[in-house]
Amino acid sequence: GAVVSQHPSWVICKSGTSVKIECRSLDFQATTMFWYRQFPKQSLMLMATSNEGSKATYEQGVEKDKFLINHASLTLSTLTVTSAHPEDSSFYICSATKLAGGLDEQFFGPGTRLTVL
Amino acid sequence: GQQLNRSPQSMFIQEGEDVSMNCTSSSIFNTWLWYKQDPGEGPVLLIALYKAGELTSNGRLTAQFGITRKDSFLNISASIPSDVGIYFCAGPNSGGSNYKLTFGKGTLLTVNP
Repeated sequence: GAVVSQHPSWVICKSGTSVKIECRSLDFQATTMFWYRQFPKQSLMLMATSNEGSKATYEQGVEKDKFLINHASLTLSTLTVTSAHPEDSSFYICSATKLAGGLDEQFFGPGTRLTVL
Repeated sequence: GQQLNRSPQSMFIQEGEDVSMNCTSSSIFNTWLWYKQDPGEGPVLLIALYKAGELTSNGRLTAQFGITRKDSFLNISASIPSDVGIYFCAGPNSGGSNYKLTFGKGTLLTVNP
């Protein structure tokens, strides 16, 4: 199988606090993990690409100091939303890439709903 | 950057009906992917298309990779209530092992029992 988990599944925090979201590939080692953000009734927007042992690559318009990504192992990537504000409220989804039959396939986590008060 | 346009934006159908949705791209894709997202969940891959003209089925789902490599459609036959969700097309921005996906805006499907 190829299961990706996220923790927490939802979080409510006060404005100005930091929130850490974990993404784990449970039964495979992921060469690459991706972080997406999805606003209500919108599509998934790629935020950053995360490779184990190296710095994340951020998409244009995504603040790297705001969204800290750490990829400590081949099965774990974390996204920390620093000094969160209400406009950061969103659905954050990670995906992990698994090599399958010579082709990479991305498997998505169940998402984390962040609400900043 | 690459843009994916989907049609329609939303659909309301009766259980048992067939439904079709499509995506078009401003540029050529080498792979087309169709995902379904249930409310509050992450997307799940339904069908992957790798060759122009390819027609692939997965149960009641059928998808085709357009000859021009700039479009794809997804058909669902004999819809059932659990087909409700958002359907996204997606394609990789570049080849290689670290491809990034561009997602279309999604088609919201509602199935009335």
